[in-house]
Formats: sequence, C-alpha cells, structure tokens
Amino acid sequence: QKEVEQNSGPLSVPEGAIASLNCTYSDRGSQSFFWYRQYSGKSPELIMFIYSNGDKEDGRFTAQLNKASQYVSLLIRDSQPSDSATYLCAVRIYGNNRLAFGKGNQVVVIP
Amino acid sequence: DVKVTQSSRYLVKRTGEKVFLECVQDMDHENMFWYRQDPGLGLRLIYFSYDVKMKEKGDIPEGYSVSREKKERFSLILESASTNQTSMYLCASSPRDRVNTIYFGEGSWLTVV
Repeated sequence: QKEVEQNSGPLSVPEGAIASLNCTYSDRGSQSFFWYRQYSGKSPELIMFIYSNGDKEDGRFTAQLNKASQYVSLLIRDSQPSDSATYLCAVRIYGNNRLAFGKGNQVVVIP
Repeated sequence: DVKVTQSSRYLVKRTGEKVFLECVQDMDHENMFWYRQDPGLGLRLIYFSYDVKMKEKGDIPEGYSVSREKKERFSLILESASTNQTSMYLCASSPRDRVNTIYFGEGSWLTVV
C-alpha cells in the first residue's frame, strides 16, 4: 500500500463554492500532516499543517485530521480562480526526517 | 529571504550522458532532498542527506547517485541518462528536526533524448 494516497481525479468547482480534498495514509504512527499547493511549472508551497485530531482553520483553508481513520482533508471555502492548482498531501514518516507525498489533486475553479 | 537554488532550470541531454543536477541552499539546513515529479505519480523521493557526506536512499534510487561534500550543496548524478529519467527534479532542504519547514527549489526540467 502506498504511504499516502490521493485518489480523486481533477476537481472542478464554481467560484465561491467549497472545494474538498481527501488524503489517506498507511502509517498509523504518523504525527504530522501537510498540504502543499503547486501552481503549474512552479515548486510546491506549504499552505497548511496539522498535528492534532480535529479541524484547523487558516483563512479560507481548513485542514481536518482523523487519526483513527487515517485520513486528512483540506477544505477551501469561497474558492477563487487563484486557487486553481494541484494540491499535494504530505505525511511525515514516523521516526524519519522526510515527507511522503501523495500524487496530488488538481483543482480548477471556474469563474 | 530563504533560498534553495537549482543551477539548471532546463536541460536536454542524450541517452548515456552523465548528468549533474546541482542544488545549493543558504539556510544552513542539515537535511537535503532530491525528488522527481511525474504526471500522475506525484513527488517521489530519490535520495536524501542528513549531513555532510551522509546519504540515504529514498523510494526510487535506481539509476541515480548523490554527493554532499559541503553542507550547502547536494548534487544529483545520473551516471548514464536514460529516456525514462525525463522528468522534473526538485531539490529541497529543511532544518534537522523540523521537516515541516521544508523549502523547495524551483525545479529542474530534464529531457533525455
């Protein structure tokens, strides 16, 4: 099983709607979870991290973590065209100083 | 302003050539990483290094080697480039125990013909 899975295909949302992205991970000992945004042709940039179960909000972004079910999600409220990008889920491997990344989900916000 | 610099943004190399991808960071970070990114496959870790002259294999080390002679520089080497190594290569660095504070370079687009 891959360490980090993001299975849904490209997501198209109308401007102003909520975009919802999901990610599952295999290592139950993982403690740190991250969401990166990557614009086409650019390097990833960190937008959210979460360590504890529950929700964490930062502006229009909310990360949700459920360690029992081993999933982490990202909600983008009031989606804007500038949110059109690929979103990468990453998990810090337990006992290790490296991140494992999912394959990413493309989000397209339609004006 | 923190910076991870990849010296070559776009390269075209021939099959069998030896290829060097250079990465320099100016943040005195202990950890450095090389990833490759392919459509539909996400970021896959090739090699990483925790300190000078130290290296660890990542998920896909075959066909690659690395060198870290100085703390600020981490080089990725393709001993004999092949067409399946056509990809975008990302270098990154982070402080020793704060992998959440990872900084990426701008990427190097390598085409092997």
